[in-house]
Amino acid sequence: EDQVTQSPEALRLQEGESSSLNCSYTVSGLRGLFWYRQDPGKGPEFLFTLYSAGEEKEKERLKATLTKKESFLHITAPKPEDSATYLCAAPTGKLIFGQGTELSVKP
Amino acid sequence: GAVVSQHPSWVICKSGTSVKIECRSLDFQATTMFWYRQFPKQSLMLMATSNEGSKATYEQGVEKDKFLINHASLTLSTLTVTSAHPEDSSFYICSARSGTVRAYEQYFGPGTRLTVT
Repeated sequence: EDQVTQSPEALRLQEGESSSLNCSYTVSGLRGLFWYRQDPGKGPEFLFTLYSAGEEKEKERLKATLTKKESFLHITAPKPEDSATYLCAAPTGKLIFGQGTELSVKP
Repeated sequence: GAVVSQHPSWVICKSGTSVKIECRSLDFQATTMFWYRQFPKQSLMLMATSNEGSKATYEQGVEKDKFLINHASLTLSTLTVTSAHPEDSSFYICSARSGTVRAYEQYFGPGTRLTVT
C-alpha cells in the first residue's frame, strides 16, 4: 500500500536554529514528491516538486532533497514567519499526504 | 503562475439551505480538480475528483447527493452543499491539476470556511 510518513509531528525552534523535516515514502511508480506549506485557515501553498533521487530544490531558507526512500526539508536560520505546517505528498492519481510537521519558530 | 481561487472565502448559512462554492484556475487549464475537507488540526480529506465534462468520482463515505460537484469548464469547478446541516460546517479546499506540463502537480485554493447555523 502506498504510504507517506512525516516526522516529527511538531518541531519547536528558536529563530536562527537550523533543522530538517523528514518525509519517508513507499510509493510504487513515484511520479514526484511535493512539499507544501499550510498556514492556519488557508489552503496549502505549493513549495517544491522533486522528481528523482539526488534532486535538490531551494527557495529562500528552504531546501528540499530527495532520496529513493525519503525527502528532507532543510530550514536554514529560520524566522518566526516560517512557522506553519509543512506537508509532503506523493501523486498517485490522487495525492497521498503525510500527517504534516507543525513548525513553530520563536524569536 | 498556477493560481487557484475560491469564492466565497467564508459563508454562513442556515440549516436546510444550500450553498455553492466556486473554484477557479486563474492562469492554467485544469483538466482535473479535487475537493477536500479539513477539520481543525487534521489532515486534508479528499472528498471527490472531477474531470472537465465528466461526472465526479466520490470517495467512499461521501454522499454524492449532498455534495454536488460540477466541472463545467477547464477553469471552473463548483461544489454545492445541499440541505446543509451543522455537521457540514468545515473548511473546504479545492485543488487543480493541469494534466500537461508538470502533469501531476496540484495547486490549492485558499479555502472556504462554511458555518451552518
